[in-house]
Amino acid sequence: RKEVEQDPGPFNVPEGATVAFNCTYSNSASQSFFWYRQDCRKEPKLLMSVYSSGNEDGRFTAQLNRASQYISLLIRDSKLSDSATYLCVVNAGGYNKLIFGAGTRLAVHP
Amino acid sequence: NAGVTQTPKFQVLKTGQSMTLQCAQDMNHEYMSWYRQDPGMGLRLIHYSVGAGITDQGEVPNGYNVSRSTTEDFPLRLLSAAPSQTSVYFCASSWKREFYEQYFGPGTRLTVT
Repeated sequence: RKEVEQDPGPFNVPEGATVAFNCTYSNSASQSFFWYRQDCRKEPKLLMSVYSSGNEDGRFTAQLNRASQYISLLIRDSKLSDSATYLCVVNAGGYNKLIFGAGTRLAVHP
Repeated sequence: NAGVTQTPKFQVLKTGQSMTLQCAQDMNHEYMSWYRQDPGMGLRLIHYSVGAGITDQGEVPNGYNVSRSTTEDFPLRLLSAAPSQTSVYFCASSWKREFYEQYFGPGTRLTVT
């Protein structure tokens, strides 16, 4: 079983839609959680951290559910520019414990 | 401020050849790392360094060597290329205390035939 699992998608949504992705992790010792964004054939970039209390950054909301070991990313009012792959990242402590999921692909169409 | 730079962008090797992928950063970051990204799999850590003169293995270190003689540079050496090493390689750097916020280079697409 992969340590971090994501639905690969693609999620095809129209502009203006709300879309949500989930990610599950297997290591209950995981300490911190993040979402990265990767555009096609580009490098990944940090999108946002995920706090226990949840956090919001504009149209993006991230939530953590430690009991069920999953994190989520909600995107409201989708834009064409949101089309990308979203990587779920989990840290179980230590410099060699940053685990990347394979990503969920989002395609926003006009 | 160039950020993280990688060379070359593309490379084709024959099985058994060796080569070095270059990585440099100009942000004075202590932490640097190398990942490989394969289709359907997440980025996997190959080697990392928390400062000049200090390196350690990640999840998939076999077949690769690294050294960190300066803060800026972190080259990755493929000792004897194999087709299984065909992948996209990303170098990243960050502050040691916030190593989860990694700044990635543009990547090197390597094909081993």
